[in-house]
Amino acid sequence: EPEVTQTPSHQVTQMGQEVILRCVPISNHLYFYWYRQILGQKVEFLVSFYNNEISEKSEIFDDQFSVERPDGSNFTLKIRSTKLEDSAMYFCASSVRGLAGVYEQYFGPGTRLTVT
Amino acid sequence: ELKVEQNPLFLSMQEGKNYTIYCNYSTTSDRLYWYRQDPGKSLESLFVLLSNGAVKQEGRLMASLDTKARLSTLHITAAVHDLSATYFCAVGDDNAGNMLTFGGGTRLMVKP
Repeated sequence: EPEVTQTPSHQVTQMGQEVILRCVPISNHLYFYWYRQILGQKVEFLVSFYNNEISEKSEIFDDQFSVERPDGSNFTLKIRSTKLEDSAMYFCASSVRGLAGVYEQYFGPGTRLTVT
Repeated sequence: ELKVEQNPLFLSMQEGKNYTIYCNYSTTSDRLYWYRQDPGKSLESLFVLLSNGAVKQEGRLMASLDTKARLSTLHITAAVHDLSATYFCAVGDDNAGNMLTFGGGTRLMVKP
């Protein structure tokens, strides 16, 4: 069964460093998303991406964040200058427009980012 | 701003018992999703509810949606230990990049 994959599974970085989190969405999906989950808290939407541009972004997704689809398969999230509060699990998701216009999102296994 | 609230936040129950998790949301939506998350793992899609009165069942779990009351329920029948996980409801917004707004989650622990 097709699945969303993410690399790395765990990234440790120092405050102020740049990180790039990588995702390979399901191959026929056209809509891509990033969410984050701080330990013990709920899942929060960061950004959605369609047709090579951002569709929607949350207040969390400030100028330190960017997304890119550099080729036909990868979808990346870059944090330019990490802060301690960026420590979280980051989930990538992808979807297609299915029956009845439903965009059921399939989530990857996540990347745990630890900023020290 | 859309708010999604779940209760209870934590639920400890004995095997064989029934219980219901509630998900209230603050604005009109006809896209309600339920996900399961095991510790340290990703989110697994359980149900997609699309319309008022929708009911879906899979094994011991049954989800329903009342769009007028802005309420979805996840009912657990005769719980077993394998159902122990955190359950999230999420409301979809097709007009906002298909973003999902999640509830706070219900951590379910089923004791043998």
